[in-house]
Amino acid sequence: AQSVTQLGSHVSVSEGALVLLRCNYSSSVPPYLFWYVQYPNQGLQLLLKYTTGATLVKGINGFEAEFKKSETSFHLTKPSAHMSDAAEYFCAVSDKSGGSNYKLTFGKGTLLTVNP
Amino acid sequence: DSGVTQTPKHLITATGQRVTLRCSPRSGDLSVYWYQQSLDQGLQFLIQYYNGEERAKGNILERFSAQQFPDLHSELNLSSLELGDSALYFCASSVAAFSYEQYFGPGTRLTVT
Repeated sequence: AQSVTQLGSHVSVSEGALVLLRCNYSSSVPPYLFWYVQYPNQGLQLLLKYTTGATLVKGINGFEAEFKKSETSFHLTKPSAHMSDAAEYFCAVSDKSGGSNYKLTFGKGTLLTVNP
Repeated sequence: DSGVTQTPKHLITATGQRVTLRCSPRSGDLSVYWYQQSLDQGLQFLIQYYNGEERAKGNILERFSAQQFPDLHSELNLSSLELGDSALYFCASSVAAFSYEQYFGPGTRLTVT
């Protein structure tokens, strides 16, 4: 069984500051890892994904995440926060399980607030 | 805009009632996934259909059922509704049967009173 833990249900940063949203996972097989963003009153949008290859992945809107197998982590970062980054962020993991079905298991989410 | 549409946007109903939520996937996508997002449970996978057939089941209650029609739209039926069923229900779609890259609709907010 796989699970995702997002440390901190709410993170507040100042505009221009570093954004760091933490995600740790557990999976019995090499995982695929994702970050999704949910803006108010909208559906989830894929920010970035890690499947294989380079462990540092770049996504949209200046976000990036690094897969660290030894730490079972996939933290999301952005060097300089913008007001428009205020949203809820979800880390998710997927693997082949139960007959090759790709199911996404989501963390509880981290609400990012950006202060002017 | 992901290209996935969901109707209605909001639904308010009473306990014991039955509702149907509708989802149209992105053009060309054959897979539809349903998720429930609630404050206490977070975002949970319910069920997946691919080209009309059920492919995977998650934490879906027996009171809930879904289907995917020949035109690939999908409906999620929720019956004998309880207060705890109040949540945001998302539909997502993907091209393939086995795809981790899913595109989400805007959701249907269900309120059970």
